Amino acid sequence: QKEVEQDPGPLSVPEGAIVSLNCTYSNSAFQYFMWYRQYSRKGPELLMYTYSSGNKEDGRFTAQVDKSSKYISLFIRDSQPSDSATYLCAMNQGAQKLVFGQGTRLTINP
Amino acid sequence: DAGVTQSPTHLIKTRGQQVTLRCSPKSGHDTVSWYQQALGQGPQFIFQYYEEEERQRGNFPDRFSGHQFPNYSSELNVNALLLGDSALYLCASSSLGGFDTQYFGPGTRLTVL
Repeated sequence: QKEVEQDPGPLSVPEGAIVSLNCTYSNSAFQYFMWYRQYSRKGPELLMYTYSSGNKEDGRFTAQVDKSSKYISLFIRDSQPSDSATYLCAMNQGAQKLVFGQGTRLTINP
Repeated sequence: DAGVTQSPTHLIKTRGQQVTLRCSPKSGHDTVSWYQQALGQGPQFIFQYYEEEERQRGNFPDRFSGHQFPNYSSELNVNALLLGDSALYLCASSSLGGFDTQYFGPGTRLTVL
């Protein structure tokens, strides 16, 4: 079993839809949770960074962490074609290595 | 403020050869981590350097080695290349000895023929 599980998709939604991306994990020691966006053939770009449980909002993006269920989510409101990319969840403990999910390929159709 | 930079952008090698990839961290960052990303997969941790020493290592053979210089830049070396080493190699930098968020460079795409 992988430490971090993420549905690879692909996921295709119409422009303006609300998108929900999710990851589950098995290591209860993870404390820091991140979402990265990766465009084709580029490096991952940090979108959201959350410590422990709770919600964090930044513009159209909301990250949620539920440590009791070992489940994290990223919501994108009013999705735009420019949001089309691969979304990677990642997590770690302190200064330790990042452990990534497989990534979900998302396409927003105009 | 320049972000994380990596060179070269692309590289083509043949099996058995050796390769060196380079990374300059974001200004103010002191920790460099290297990741390997195969096509369609999430990045896998190779190793992390802090204060010019390897501090953590992932599940990679010792054909993979690295170095960090006094200016915090870093190199990744891979010896005896295999076809399976073909991947995007990502460098990430962070501050506070690695306790801060990791920011990624654009990557080096390595193709082994």
